[in-house]
Amino acid sequence: GNSVTQMEGPVTLSEEAFLTINCTYTATGYPSLFWYVQYPGEGLQLLLKATKADDKGSNKGFEATYRKETTSFHLEKGSVQVSDSAVYFCALRDDKVIFGPGTSLSVIP
Amino acid sequence: EAGVAQSPRYKIIEKRQSVAFWCNPISGHATLYWYQQILGQGPKLLIQFQNNGVVDDSQLPKDRFSAERLKGVDSTLKIQPAKLEDSAVYLCASSLIEGMNTEAFFGQGTRLTVV
Repeated sequence: GNSVTQMEGPVTLSEEAFLTINCTYTATGYPSLFWYVQYPGEGLQLLLKATKADDKGSNKGFEATYRKETTSFHLEKGSVQVSDSAVYFCALRDDKVIFGPGTSLSVIP
Repeated sequence: EAGVAQSPRYKIIEKRQSVAFWCNPISGHATLYWYQQILGQGPKLLIQFQNNGVVDDSQLPKDRFSAERLKGVDSTLKIQPAKLEDSAVYLCASSLIEGMNTEAFFGQGTRLTVV
């Protein structure tokens, strides 16, 4: 069946560091891919999405490119801020939405 | 625009007791989802409704969990009887229509602790 794998956390970075959170997926069809973010004490929010191969989703300085050949959707940001501290979930949607286990990010000043 | 509303925010019950959660989706959203998020894991889909019909309940433990969406608007999720392993955050989400590109909007969740 379909599945999503993410790099294990927690990830701790200094402010202005470069961020990469790896995400790979297994799917029988051609799913849409999403990154959701969960800030402390808040609900899940959509961060960005890509609906087909080679699409790049971007929002708030974050980017991820749908790579069909490597079945990946890695999240990147060039310069993280303390306010980016949260849990990040990679997800795919085929016939239903499946989430990865989440990666906790802490950004320290 | 009002978001997805859930209540209660927190609930503590003893094992073998019953509990119910309520969700009011965004107005006009036909699709409603219930997810279970165990600490340290990603959300797992329990049940998906399209209007008042069930689209997917393959991962719902039907011996103890039930859900309904009678008028195609708000929904309740019930656990009877609860087990210790049911301790989790229960998330409700809604989306405008069923479709691969459609974004799901999430409520803040109900944190259930079973003791």
